[in-house]
Amino acid sequence: KAGVTQTPRYLIKTRGQQVTLSCSPISGHRSVSWYQQTPGQGLQFLFEYFSETQRNKGNFPGRFSGRQFSNSRSEMNVSTLELGDSALYLCASSPPHEGGYTFGSGTRLTVV
Amino acid sequence: DQQVKQNSPSLSVQEGRISILNCDYTNSMFDYFLWYKKYPAEGPTFLISISSIKDKNEDGRFTVFLNKSAKHLSLHIVPSQPGDSAVYFCAASYSGGSNYKLTFGKGTLLTVNP
Repeated sequence: KAGVTQTPRYLIKTRGQQVTLSCSPISGHRSVSWYQQTPGQGLQFLFEYFSETQRNKGNFPGRFSGRQFSNSRSEMNVSTLELGDSALYLCASSPPHEGGYTFGSGTRLTVV
Repeated sequence: DQQVKQNSPSLSVQEGRISILNCDYTNSMFDYFLWYKKYPAEGPTFLISISSIKDKNEDGRFTVFLNKSAKHLSLHIVPSQPGDSAVYFCAASYSGGSNYKLTFGKGTLLTVNP
């Protein structure tokens, strides 16, 4: 059974650019969540999607956005990149019950 | 406002001994708690969880204890092995309302020395 797949694994962008990250959940999982991991802040919740609808959003600026497609795949977008956006972005999928979150390996974004 | 706290950034233990990782939370609405293990350049891997209706859950070498009155949980690893060396994250969630997220602590780096 394939796990959660995130692409790309590594990305280098320049300040002011925008970036799109992709996440393919485990087959059958309809919930996809995104987290940002930085050394100082740990893992912080960005947003969660279920059946193409955003159900919850963390405390991040509007430059961070996401969407989910009908096949449950999800993308997140960061516009007008800042140096502080450099982080590991993790996607997690879960079946529609409590717990059971499975994480992908993440996308390491570096903003220069 | 950090709702889940792991006050020990690091812990060093000898192989074969017990590792105890601690976690405190402030939000009394949390009713489900999880521990994840993370190696560098990989995503977190689920280890064990506990519902607030229990005070203990075991899975092999891993046991999680929950003290609701103290808003405290701990992960015990017995016996500790060098392969357990990783960052351990405590996470919490609650099942009510429109909450569909995990709130994580900042992690504890466990080093198990041979």
